[in-house]
Amino acid sequence: DGGITQSPKYLFRKEGQNVTLSCEQNLNHDAMYWYRQDPGQGLRLIYYSQIVNDFQKGDIAEGYSVSREKKESFPLTVTSAQKNPTAFYLCASGRAGTEAFFGQGTRLTVV
Amino acid sequence: KQEVTQIPAALSVPEGENLVLNCSFTDSAIYNLQWFRQDPGKGLTSLLLIQSSQREQTSGRLNASLDKSSGRSTLYIAASQPGDSATYLCAVRPQGGSEKLVFGKGTKLTVNP
Repeated sequence: DGGITQSPKYLFRKEGQNVTLSCEQNLNHDAMYWYRQDPGQGLRLIYYSQIVNDFQKGDIAEGYSVSREKKESFPLTVTSAQKNPTAFYLCASGRAGTEAFFGQGTRLTVV
Repeated sequence: KQEVTQIPAALSVPEGENLVLNCSFTDSAIYNLQWFRQDPGKGLTSLLLIQSSQREQTSGRLNASLDKSSGRSTLYIAASQPGDSATYLCAVRPQGGSEKLVFGKGTKLTVNP
């Protein structure tokens, strides 16, 4: 099946720990995105990538890092510098300027 | 800075009713607008994409319209069903080659049997 796969579905992070969220797509899309969703707020863009080995910061990139070594993969690392990481994280992909498709999300909780 | 507003934040209707969800945006220089559905704890499902040159798009019981000059879009749902209960989000992609989608906060729809 074609689509976007995010893993894990639930993730728990201890204080001071880095964690990596996985996002894989088999839709042959050039562009990939990471959004953060908090209750009562709209989705906010963390990072996006339009091509392999290139990515740009979104509106709330501080405390996060990404890589784009393969077209299919766009992992997001939540570093210890992110002071309030508890949120629902959504990965998306699309062809430039066209419809965006989303994964099922990863819920990250700080314990 | 582009801002997207969705009103109302929540809506409750009886089954079978036709309804309209509203989305407004502050900058009319958009490339396209996309409507999504989100079920609790799930990702977003794309419903309709309207390019800036289009006035409306239809898919089944859904019809989305776009009035770019006034900065508004509506999502019309005909003959609503309990399965339509979800949060509906609209997002605009600004012109200028930006890949950023700017989202509204959504309208939470409840369709009562």
